[in-house]
Amino acid sequence: AQSVTQLDSHVSVSEGTPVLLRCNYSSSYSPSLFWYVQHPNKGLQLLLKYTSAATLVKGINGFEAEFKKSETSFHLTKPSAHMSDAAEYFCVVSDPNKSTFGDGTTLTVKP
Amino acid sequence: DAGITQSPRHKVTETGTPVTLRCHQTENHRYMYWYRQDPGHGLRLIHYSYGVKDTDKGEVSDGYSVSRSKTEDFLLTLESATSSQTSVYFCAIREADGGQPQHFGDGTRLSIL
Repeated sequence: AQSVTQLDSHVSVSEGTPVLLRCNYSSSYSPSLFWYVQHPNKGLQLLLKYTSAATLVKGINGFEAEFKKSETSFHLTKPSAHMSDAAEYFCVVSDPNKSTFGDGTTLTVKP
Repeated sequence: DAGITQSPRHKVTETGTPVTLRCHQTENHRYMYWYRQDPGHGLRLIHYSYGVKDTDKGEVSDGYSVSRSKTEDFLLTLESATSSQTSVYFCAIREADGGQPQHFGDGTRLSIL
C-alpha cells in the first residue's frame, strides 16, 4: 500500500524565519520522494527529489529535505523564508507501480 | 521554462458535449502525462504516454481517452463531458524513465455546466 500525508494544510511564517513543511509516507517498496511547488494559476515545479542516494537532498531556491526511513518522513525545510516562497507545496511518493500526491500545504509568508 | 503549451487555457461547456484538450511540447521528451487537480487535493493521474501511439491508464481514467500521434502532442478527450469532470487539467512531461514528471504546463480550467 502507498500513501502520503502532508501534516499541515496551512503554514504561516514571517519573512526571514525558517520554513518547515511536513510529509509522512508509507510504501511497500523503497520509494522515491519528491517535493513540488505550485504558484497561483501555474503548473507544478519540481523542487527536489530523493531516489535512494544521499538522505539529505538539496533543491532549488534554498530548499532541502531529509529522508528519514525510521520515521517514514520527508520534511521540507528552508532556513529563511522569502515572500516569493508563498505558494502551495506538494509531497509525492513514488514506487514502481504508482505515484501518490499529497493534498498540499499552503505556505503564507508575512512581511 | 520548459516548452509546454496547453490549449485552451479556459473552457466552459455543457454536459454531454465532447471536449478535447491539447498539450504541446517542444522538448522532445518521451513521456507525457495528463493529471486533474481538484480543490483540496493533490494531482491525480488520468492517462500517460511513453511514446508515439503508446499510452496507458492512470488512476482516474474512466470517461477519458487520449491520443499521441506525434512526439510533441498529447490530446485528452472527454467523449461526453459530465459535471464531475469540472477540474483543472495539467499536462506534464519527463525525458527519461523512472521518477516523476519534470515539467508541467500552466493548466486548463474546464467547467462543465
